[in-house]
Amino acid sequence: NAGVTQTPKFRILKIGQSMTLQCTQDMNHNYMYWYRQDPGMGLKLIYYSVGAGITDKGEVPNGYNVSRSTTEDFPLRLELAAPSQTSVYFCASSRGQGNSGNTIYFGEGSWLTVV
Amino acid sequence: KQEVTQIPAALSVPEGENLVLNCSFTDSAIYNLQWFRQDPGKGLTSLLLIQSSQREQTSGRLNASLDKSSGRSTLYIAASQPGDSATYLCAVLSNSGYALNFGKGTSLLVTP
Repeated sequence: NAGVTQTPKFRILKIGQSMTLQCTQDMNHNYMYWYRQDPGMGLKLIYYSVGAGITDKGEVPNGYNVSRSTTEDFPLRLELAAPSQTSVYFCASSRGQGNSGNTIYFGEGSWLTVV
Repeated sequence: KQEVTQIPAALSVPEGENLVLNCSFTDSAIYNLQWFRQDPGKGLTSLLLIQSSQREQTSGRLNASLDKSSGRSTLYIAASQPGDSATYLCAVLSNSGYALNFGKGTSLLVTP
């Protein structure tokens, strides 16, 4: 039972490069999320999706793009990487919205450094 | 905008002590509040989820309370063990949002 799987775990990017963080879940969850966590800070929401084909911006979406073509996958794309995007990225999923008591499951994180 | 604050930022206790972690939030219109554990280099693991209509939840040595009107929650850990050493994060789901708002966490060290 894999849960939420993120790849890669570690990546170093040069300024201006682009890359995609992959996220897949095998729990048939409708809701998926991307968060970033900077040192000593709480998690901040980048983008979220309530189902295939539907995405919306979170608190810090600038510099990122997402797509949700299937229920399982929710990739996060970084265009023109900047040092400010150095962070740990977490993907998460839940069956439904939190008001019905759905537990949220997190991946193990992707450490990204932009130099 | 929902703001979540956790106090203290760091805590060190000897093994066996009971301890309390605090979480406060600015907007009481919430669906639920969750406590997570984060180990170094790992993702977050959900410990307890309290619905807005509930006052507390218990799991083993953990007890979380919620006072929605005052915007406070506490996580009580009984008889702490070195294996409890981790960062504990509090997060709330507001009525107006789809995703959780997180505090910065409390880093707990339990010494043998």
